[in-house]
Amino acid sequence: QSALTQPRSVSGSPGQSVTISCTGTSSDVGHYNYVSWYQQHPGKAPKLMIYDVNERPSGVPDRFSGSKSGNVASLTISGLQAEDEAEYFCCSYAGSSYVFGTGTTVTVL
Amino acid sequence: QVQLLESGGGVVQPGRSLRLSCAASGFTFRNYGMHWVRQAPGKGLEWVAIIWFDGSTEYYVDSVKGRFTISRDNSKNTLYLQMDNLRAEDTAIYYCARDRDSSYFIDYWGLGTLVTVSS
Repeated sequence: QSALTQPRSVSGSPGQSVTISCTGTSSDVGHYNYVSWYQQHPGKAPKLMIYDVNERPSGVPDRFSGSKSGNVASLTISGLQAEDEAEYFCCSYAGSSYVFGTGTTVTVL
Repeated sequence: QVQLLESGGGVVQPGRSLRLSCAASGFTFRNYGMHWVRQAPGKGLEWVAIIWFDGSTEYYVDSVKGRFTISRDNSKNTLYLQMDNLRAEDTAIYYCARDRDSSYFIDYWGLGTLVTVSS
């Protein structure tokens, strides 16, 4: 049950794209298509942004997209906006348990 | 709309116990699995436990097995987390969260309650 590995921080200018990786193992990310992503602003509860690797809940802008290849999942934010500045966490089902990523701070320059 | 309101946090000495509650509203509580997730100060999220919609099955992260117990009262729309033999490393904000039906992810979160374990 080790945490999934994410880069500590990524940054981009408004309008640019950024991609956050989430590296797991063959027991979690690589085994199940149940990767979700959460956005968390300081002092706030997390918000679901992506589920089942690449599905977007209603109300989440389509500039957020997800993908997976092997043991690595990714979240891409296209057309970066100021309000996207936040912490992002990935999460994977791991068979009777769940494991979160270490978190990535997205900074809009 | 879905609302999850945690309570019961506070300051507690190492080795003591605490029980957290989560009052759910805005959805049919008895139809959903529920999670507890925690976040230590300045740290990332850590999944703690899940209980199935009917209370029949529970799973825990290894670090709390044998010390924490998740439970629910579907007649009161309330989720609980009984925390025994608390340690300093259990200090965190504890979030109550709803499991999405027919899949494996959390779709709604509460605002959290802070638990501080300190002598």
